[in-house]
Amino acid sequence: EDKVVQSPLSLVVHEGDTVTLNCSYEVTNFRSLLWYKQEKKAPTFLFMLTSSGIEKKSGRLSSILDKKELSSILNITATQTGDSAIYLCAAPNSGGSNYKLTFGKGTLLTVNP
Amino acid sequence: NAGVTQTPKFRVLKTGQSMTLLCAQDMNHEYMYWYRQDPGMGLRLIHYSVGEGTTAKGEVPDGYNVSRLKKQNFLLGLESAAPSQTSVYFCATYFTGSGANEQFFGPGTRLTVL
Repeated sequence: EDKVVQSPLSLVVHEGDTVTLNCSYEVTNFRSLLWYKQEKKAPTFLFMLTSSGIEKKSGRLSSILDKKELSSILNITATQTGDSAIYLCAAPNSGGSNYKLTFGKGTLLTVNP
Repeated sequence: NAGVTQTPKFRVLKTGQSMTLLCAQDMNHEYMYWYRQDPGMGLRLIHYSVGEGTTAKGEVPDGYNVSRLKKQNFLLGLESAAPSQTSVYFCATYFTGSGANEQFFGPGTRLTVL
């Protein structure tokens, strides 16, 4: 059974802090790892990672995949209150014509002013 | 383009009542999914469909049924609602030709079963 585990489950920081969110996976037919940000409504896509060691960056957010360790991290520098959200990690399992995502439980990040 | 829409946005049911949630998409995506999200549980797959007229069970299918009679619509039915089905329900779609592996999510339906 595929598994995606995120840590920590919740985190409270002050504005300006740097945070690192962790995701580990055990997935058959691994192809990629995805990060989503979820504020009050639907998850929105952040990154897709397919290759080890190559950092994806978008503003203050960055992410990297380590296929040897079966893990990924999401870094947020100089956090702002608008970064408060649930961050979800997911891995697709594509077997044949089926395509499904296995999600972790998410990390609830709270950034206080 | 509306993307992925869900109807209704909110609903309160009594135990034993039935209802249908509608997901509609205008992106011509083949794959559609229903998830439920409970506090601290992430997103759990209920049912999914890989094309018009097909459905398959996900991780937590019990108590739910689905139908995909038209490519653009995916219906989630609760025949006899239970308090354990109180949750936020998300629909998502995926296009196999995109290469991005990204699923696109609807805005969610908040369901409370009393």
